[in-house]
Amino acid sequence: KAGVTQTPRYLIKTRGQQVTLSCSPISGHRSVSWYQQTPGQGLQFLFEYFSETQRNKGNFPGRFSGRQFSNSRSEMNVSTLELGDSALYLCASSPTGHRTLINYGYTFGSGTRLTVV
Amino acid sequence: AQKVTQAQTEISVVEKEDVTLDCVYETRDTTYYLFWYKQPPSGELVFLIRRNSFDEQNEISGRYSWNFQKSTSSFNFTITASQVVDSAVYFCALSEAGGTTGANSKLTFGKGITLSVRP
Repeated sequence: KAGVTQTPRYLIKTRGQQVTLSCSPISGHRSVSWYQQTPGQGLQFLFEYFSETQRNKGNFPGRFSGRQFSNSRSEMNVSTLELGDSALYLCASSPTGHRTLINYGYTFGSGTRLTVV
Repeated sequence: AQKVTQAQTEISVVEKEDVTLDCVYETRDTTYYLFWYKQPPSGELVFLIRRNSFDEQNEISGRYSWNFQKSTSSFNFTITASQVVDSAVYFCALSEAGGTTGANSKLTFGKGITLSVRP
């Protein structure tokens, strides 16, 4: 079956602009998480969505936002881009149930590499 | 707060050598999950293993093996007879049980270990 699909793969934006990244999870997966990867900070959790609701949020400024659609596809948006937002943004999907204690793990996409100039 | 430490940053070995990647974690939860992921140059994080906190059995999968020891809060990964294709960045990660919000709380990653396997 198809894996996690992220689009676009590469993006170059100018400071002050905004950007929207897209993630299509594995069919049947209802949980989508986003991570930012930079050389300095490593992999950091941005947020997680389940059934169109943000279920968990990392420690990022309000310029970073996301949403999930009824088909579980998710988008994240970064407004007023800064040079420090240059990173690989990774999306992960998981076959989670609601309030289950079993963590089935996460399947990651190939990421969107964002460069802010 | 949860934390994952991968003290080794870069390891270089010659093909066919065995190599162990160390991972030490911190958590206050009694229920948690540990993961190892591999990141090749393409960027995608490839899932290698998931282990829950109640299962301390070591696991072997082909050339890969994992040693989970709660007493030392470690979850080490050994590659036996390394190959050039094993060259990648390896991440250890921790996820606590989701508590009231559900199971899939965030993954906390270590900084990663860059493994280079030379022919």
